[in-house]
Amino acid sequence: EVQLVESGGGLVQPGGSLRLSCAASGFTVSSNYMSWVRQAPGKGLEWVSVIYSGGSTYYADSVKGRFTISRDNSKNTLYLQMNSLRAEDTAVYYCAREGGYCSGGSCWGQFDYWGQGTLVTVSS
Amino acid sequence: EIVLTQSPGTLSLSPGERATLSCRASQSVSSSYLAWYQQKPGQAPRLLIYGASSRATGIPDRFSGSGSGTDFTLTISRLEPEDFAVYYCQQYGSSQRSFGQGTKLEIK
Repeated sequence: EVQLVESGGGLVQPGGSLRLSCAASGFTVSSNYMSWVRQAPGKGLEWVSVIYSGGSTYYADSVKGRFTISRDNSKNTLYLQMNSLRAEDTAVYYCAREGGYCSGGSCWGQFDYWGQGTLVTVSS
Repeated sequence: EIVLTQSPGTLSLSPGERATLSCRASQSVSSSYLAWYQQKPGQAPRLLIYGASSRATGIPDRFSGSGSGTDFTLTISRLEPEDFAVYYCQQYGSSQRSFGQGTKLEIK
C-alpha cells in the first residue's frame, strides 16, 4: 500500500529556515517524480516544486532560490528545505507522488497519492 | 508557466442536478496532461480525472472529463450529497506544474 507521511512543520520566525520530510512506503521515491504542493489557509492549491527520477528539480517562481527539493533514496524520503521564510509561505504543505506514465523505470504524471499535509506557520 | 483559470468560482446546485466546471489554460496543455482533483475540508486532494478524460481508480462514472488544447471541462452528471466540495484542475505537461484557483461546488 502506498503511503506518504509528512513531518517537520511548525512555527518559525520570518527569515528562518525549516526542513520538511515526506516518508514514503509501498514504492520507491527514486522511481517516481515527486512534488510538493502547498495550501495557504482558506486558499487554493499551489504547486511548489518537483524532483524528477533522474534528479532534475524545478520550482515555482514564488520559491525559487529559497526552497530546495531533494530525496534520500536509502531512507525512501523526500525533503523540502525552506530558507528565508516569509509570512506568505504560511500553509499546509503536501507531498505528492506522480504516476500514470512509466518509461525506463521512471514514472510521472498526475498526482495519484498525497500525504496528509504538515502545517508551516511563519510569524513573529 | 501555464496559468489555469477555472470558472465559475462558485457553483450553487441541488442534488440530482448536472454540474459543469471549466478550466482554461493560458497556452496549450501538451498531450492533454490535465487532471482534476476534489478536495473536502480538512482533507488532502483526491485524484478524479487524468489525461483530461480518464477516470482514476474507484471514481464513479457520474464524473467525466473532456477537452484538449486550452479548454477542459469536468462534468458531474447527477450530483450526490458527497460531491459538494472544491474542485481543482492541474496541468503536468510542463516542468512547472500548476493548479487552477478552484471551483467551489455548494448546495443550493
